[in-house]
Amino acid sequence: SQTIHQWPATLVQPVGSPLSLECTVEGTSNPNLYWYRQAAGRGLQLLFYSVGIGQISSEVPQNLSASRPQDRQFILSSKKLLLSDSGFYLCAWSASRGSGTEAFFGQGTRLTVV
Amino acid sequence: AQTVTQSQPEMSVQEAETVTLSCTYDTSESDYYLFWYKQPPSRQMILVIRQEAYKQQNATENRFSVNFQKAAKSFSLKISDSQLGDAAMYFCSRGSNYKLTFGKGTLLTVNP
Repeated sequence: SQTIHQWPATLVQPVGSPLSLECTVEGTSNPNLYWYRQAAGRGLQLLFYSVGIGQISSEVPQNLSASRPQDRQFILSSKKLLLSDSGFYLCAWSASRGSGTEAFFGQGTRLTVV
Repeated sequence: AQTVTQSQPEMSVQEAETVTLSCTYDTSESDYYLFWYKQPPSRQMILVIRQEAYKQQNATENRFSVNFQKAAKSFSLKISDSQLGDAAMYFCSRGSNYKLTFGKGTLLTVNP
């Protein structure tokens, strides 16, 4: 069966520090991968998605970047965190056969920038 | 931007009663799918129900059913016989061209 791992679960970082959140998927190949951010009391904002290795689509211009160095690995990064980067970050995957399959989500990372 | 709109930030329902959560969406695609997800306090996202846009028949999953009005771009979720465990944030989502776009969510409270 497929599983998705996202870590860390919680993170407190000072303003200006770098960020690296990692997500890996097991039990499937060539998944679509997604990073979402959920601000307090708000919906899920799509940040990045990837349909293959090295293929990254950015939805919102911002302080963050994403990379997909391996088929089932998706990394969210920042060189210098801002206070506004605080939030709940969710990684998700879906099967690569298009739009008809649902997304499966990781447990999320609660990031607090202080 | 193609959006998903949930006009009800909060809803409440009595246990065993029925509640309907609203969702409208915008799309220029002919091939797309619609989903309702549930996010309980644990914040784990759970798929509730899925609807293919090319199907006219409304999807049903046990106590959960949808009212899909394609022309109106409306996709509401009906929860029958509400249970305390149904209390959660509910998100409507549209999938097209590999992108999954979510609404802002509706917080459902179930009163005993």
